[in-house]
Amino acid sequence: DAMVIQNPRYQVTQFGKPVTLSCSQTLNHNVMYWYQQKSSQAPKLLFHYYDKDFNNEADTPDNFQSRRPNTSFCFLDIRSPGLGDAAMYLCATRRGTGNEKLFFGSGTQLSVL
Amino acid sequence: KQEVTQIPAALSVPEGENLVLNCSFTDSAIYNLQWFRQDPGKGLTSLLLIQSSQREQTSGRLNASLDKSSGRSTLYIAASQPGDSATYLCAVRGIQGAQKLVFGQGTRLTINP
Repeated sequence: DAMVIQNPRYQVTQFGKPVTLSCSQTLNHNVMYWYQQKSSQAPKLLFHYYDKDFNNEADTPDNFQSRRPNTSFCFLDIRSPGLGDAAMYLCATRRGTGNEKLFFGSGTQLSVL
Repeated sequence: KQEVTQIPAALSVPEGENLVLNCSFTDSAIYNLQWFRQDPGKGLTSLLLIQSSQREQTSGRLNASLDKSSGRSTLYIAASQPGDSATYLCAVRGIQGAQKLVFGQGTRLTINP
């Protein structure tokens, strides 16, 4: 059973049209992450939450925002997608109490036309 | 700033061979190191997690080792099978910026029948 669920699996948007990606988890984990992965590159951390505590990476563009309304859900909002934002977006969770492993969702592949 | 490097970037071997994938990191102050598998267009699947106090972890045909002082980890795959074909990524969770994982770019592995 999927424990970290990302929707949709594929998302196509137009240049400049806002888009929201969603992630939900059934693990009741404290920490949730959003990573961006471009083709043949390493995943790059955009943000993470520890409970409701939001942490933005210094080089994450302002165009990217995130919301975590409750423990189970986390959203990634891209306010004005550019062609360079086309990528796989990965959500991950971790319990947050020690040196546990991360669990990843299947990812959302975003295309920008 | 932690940097993670994986060599080689791509590897192609015949079925049945034993092989080793390499991962190096620049800052040895880590909590743990995790190996992941990624199939094309998919999310990440956790394979093995090694805590900083451990030297190795095993799961089936996979064995991961960690030499923290030299900043190196290896993933050993025994008796490789075509189904092992995927990209393998290592990631470290450093003591600085403890909530996040820093990834290598991965090794793309092809097992030829």
